[in-house]
Amino acid sequence: QSALTQPPSASGSPGQSVTISCTGTSSDVGGYNYVSWYQQHPGKAPKLMIYDVSQRPSGVPDRFSGSKSGNTASLTVSGLQAEDEADYYCSSYAGSNNLGVFGGGTKLTVL
Amino acid sequence: EVQLVQSGAEVKKPGESLKISCKGSGYSFTNYWIGWVRQMPGKGLEWMGIIYPGDSDTRYRPSFQGQVTISADKSLNTAYLQWSSLKASDTAMYYCARLLWFGEFHFDCWGQGTLVTVSS
Repeated sequence: QSALTQPPSASGSPGQSVTISCTGTSSDVGGYNYVSWYQQHPGKAPKLMIYDVSQRPSGVPDRFSGSKSGNTASLTVSGLQAEDEADYYCSSYAGSNNLGVFGGGTKLTVL
Repeated sequence: EVQLVQSGAEVKKPGESLKISCKGSGYSFTNYWIGWVRQMPGKGLEWMGIIYPGDSDTRYRPSFQGQVTISADKSLNTAYLQWSSLKASDTAMYYCARLLWFGEFHFDCWGQGTLVTVSS
């Protein structure tokens, strides 16, 4: 079971929107509505930003949104702010044998 | 407040054994899965395995089966990750996290991480 595919980097200017993709297969992303996204700042633990494709935990700004089409999930960050600069990882349920799988991560730079 | 607090950094030699811990508080520890995630230096996150402290049901990602052992002591609200014989390639940050499963599937709360360094 390979990692989900994410672009290594993404960038945008303050106030702009950026979308990060996460491509899997019908055995993970495409097969379940259990995609989650995590933000990780350098030297810190990951933080849950989106779960179940498009749900936002309490306390996460509504600038963060998620969606899915087929085997590809996406995270969109609108109204970019400096503090959004971080690594972002997608994750998906991959069945009872494989449990979960992460993407390779995307480094988001706010220009 | 839900919290997971992990044990401190470790420096070990190849071939040595190690057990790191993750103590939960602020919720019913026995009713939620705990997962372990590896992050090698400069690399991404990797699923390792999970345990349900209520009955010690343990599941591993195939690539970690036989490489590590996950356990829990529900009387201490603590989960563990252990190695019987460390390798240099085990050098990484290890995170524990609470997994919400059934009807959903995601880690909602993470420990601060335990850095394991294996070097001769």
